[in-house]
Amino acid sequence: DAKTTQPTSMDCAEGRAANLPCNHSTISGNEYVYWYRQIHSQGPQYIIHGLKNNETNEMASLIITEDRKSSTLILPHATLRDTAVYYCIVRVSDPNDMRFGAGTRLTVKP
Amino acid sequence: NAGVMQNPRHLVRRRGQEARLRCSPMKGHSHVYWYRQLPEEGLKFMVYLQKENIIDESGMPKERFSAEFPKEGPSILRIQQVVRGDSAAYFCASSPPGQGVYNEQFFGPGTRLTVL
Repeated sequence: DAKTTQPTSMDCAEGRAANLPCNHSTISGNEYVYWYRQIHSQGPQYIIHGLKNNETNEMASLIITEDRKSSTLILPHATLRDTAVYYCIVRVSDPNDMRFGAGTRLTVKP
Repeated sequence: NAGVMQNPRHLVRRRGQEARLRCSPMKGHSHVYWYRQLPEEGLKFMVYLQKENIIDESGMPKERFSAEFPKEGPSILRIQQVVRGDSAAYFCASSPPGQGVYNEQFFGPGTRLTVL
């Protein structure tokens, strides 16, 4: 079972920041927070991951609370092509520990 | 460097037939994973393989489903005696060898199986 809770859906205006929350209150000390997204009918795409420090790459920023019980994925300037289902996953480094929940369906509107 | 390749992209089978789904991992990747996605649902882990070994098959149905990753050639997910409930998108992912946090999985485009 997935160890995360995400809103079912969110809307965002094109050009604005999209902030996608994720609750993982039972996260353990050696579990990382990963974010993937799935654009309609395609395979999931890796976005970013982190342990306890905030992370940023060319796609997004990841903000993890100090107690690590929740995190937020930030797409700084959402475009229509960012419309997708976003999955928040907590896992250790075991390769076979990817448990996808239902995710958040983000719709970017013009 | 080509990504993960899956074929066929679409597969139609009648009830009782066999379905064979193929996955070629990224170059240099020795870990392969299979997932199933039912309509409007998230991906469900099925099986994790390394070359010639099944590491974790805890997500595989007990009957009719099997997977292999031979020394040479692609990984194969085989479904025997397909039923309508097997209709789904099947995704393959691969990751490079070795443990560590940077073993994010790279996904293929999926095979959409339709059972008539």
